[in-house]
Amino acid sequence: DAGVTQSPTHLIKTRGQQVTLRCSPKSGHDTVSWYQQALGQGPQFIFQYYEEEERQRGNFPDRFSGHQFPNYSSELNVNALLLGDSALYLCASSLMNSPLHFGNGTRLTVT
Amino acid sequence: AQTVTQSQPEMSVQEAETVTLSCTYDTSENNYYLFWYKQPPSRQMILVIRQEAYKQQNATENRFSVNFQKAAKSFSLKISDSQLGDTAMYFCAFMKGNAGNNRKLIWGLGTSLAVNP
Repeated sequence: DAGVTQSPTHLIKTRGQQVTLRCSPKSGHDTVSWYQQALGQGPQFIFQYYEEEERQRGNFPDRFSGHQFPNYSSELNVNALLLGDSALYLCASSLMNSPLHFGNGTRLTVT
Repeated sequence: AQTVTQSQPEMSVQEAETVTLSCTYDTSENNYYLFWYKQPPSRQMILVIRQEAYKQQNATENRFSVNFQKAAKSFSLKISDSQLGDTAMYFCAFMKGNAGNNRKLIWGLGTSLAVNP
């Protein structure tokens, strides 16, 4: 039973570029959440997708957008990258009222 | 707004001994969940233990147990018989309950635990 898988593992981008991160949820899970974890910090909630719609959003600018597909997989898009966007991006999947299962994350470096 | 505070940035313990990690939180909610997650160098967040606020009994999972003090808004994690594989960052997290499919976790800054041989 595959857990949550994220791709790519590492990514290096230049300021101003755009990036897309991908997440496949654990089998049977229908909800995907994204978190940003800066170095030495706890994760910060970006948004949550359920039934292909954004259901909740944290305090992140519109440069951060996402999508959920019919197979429940999800993408996180970040436009106009800033140096401060450098972080570990974590994807988590779950069913309603069940604990979150996390992937290994994507390490994004913006230069 | 909810906040989670972990006041111990780093801790260490000898193998086979017991260690307690502290967490306090602030909320006006009455229905919520509290979690401890472990993040080893592999970066994956692994659920250690979960506590429902409406349950008075403290949660336990093998060597891991919590001391949940709802009135004091305290949620500490006790690791018994510490093992080298317990070396990791430990995060305390809060989630509101009864909010539909709410999946928003609010996290502390973490405690880095080193288990020494």
